[in-house]
Amino acid sequence: EAGVVQSPRYKIIEKKQPVAFWCNPISGHNTLYWYRQNLGQGPELLIRYENEEAVDDSQLPKDRFSAERLKGVDSTLKIQPAELGDSAVYLCASSPRGDIQYFGAGTRLSVL
Amino acid sequence: DQQVKQNSPSLSVQEGRISILNCDYTNSMFDYFLWYKKYPAEGPTFLISISSIKDKNEDGRFTVFLNKSAKHLSLHIVPSQPGDSAVYFCAAMTGTASKLTFGTGTRLQVTL
Repeated sequence: EAGVVQSPRYKIIEKKQPVAFWCNPISGHNTLYWYRQNLGQGPELLIRYENEEAVDDSQLPKDRFSAERLKGVDSTLKIQPAELGDSAVYLCASSPRGDIQYFGAGTRLSVL
Repeated sequence: DQQVKQNSPSLSVQEGRISILNCDYTNSMFDYFLWYKKYPAEGPTFLISISSIKDKNEDGRFTVFLNKSAKHLSLHIVPSQPGDSAVYFCAAMTGTASKLTFGTGTRLQVTL
C-alpha cells in the first residue's frame, strides 16, 4: 500500500514569491492534515480536513496561507507571499479513523 | 504554552540495553497518546500508541507506559538496536480526529 505522497521534497524561493505544496493521502483515508515543523520543534497543525471540508483551520495564517482539498482526495497548501519565517518542513498526514496519523516525507521550504 | 514536554533532548544507550524515553503533559483532556520515530529527511513514522483507559501497551520490543495521575508517559525499547537511532516524538490528542500535539523530540543514539 502506498503511503502519503508529498511533492516537491525541497523548495527554495525568494521572499514575497508564491509557493505551493501537494499531498496525496493514503487511499481511503478521509481525514487529511497539514502540519508545519520548525527546526528543533515538533510538528504543529495548520489545517485538518474531513473529506473536502476544512474542519479545523484555526492555526492557519489566513492572510497568506490557503489550502484546498477538492473532491476529498489530494490537497494543496499555498503560501502567497512567502516570508523568511515560513522556512520549515511542511508535513501532510492522513488517518483512516481519526486516531493514528500517517505522515508523508514532507516538503522542506527555504525562503531566502 | 508547551502542553507536551520531552525534557531530554538526547539520549545515548548501548546496543542491547534498555532505552527509556520520557514525556510529560499538562492537558488533562488528552485521552490518546502516540510515539513517532523520525529519521533524517523522512516524515514521522508511527510506532506505538496508548489510550488513557490503559496504563501499558506492548508491541514487540516497544512498550509504552502511561501514568495519568502524574501526567507522564514513557517509551521503553528493549533491547535497543543501532537501527533505533532516530528522533522520537511523543504526541497527544483529545478525542477522535483531532490534531496531534507534539513534544519537541528526543534524539536517541544506540551505540555499538
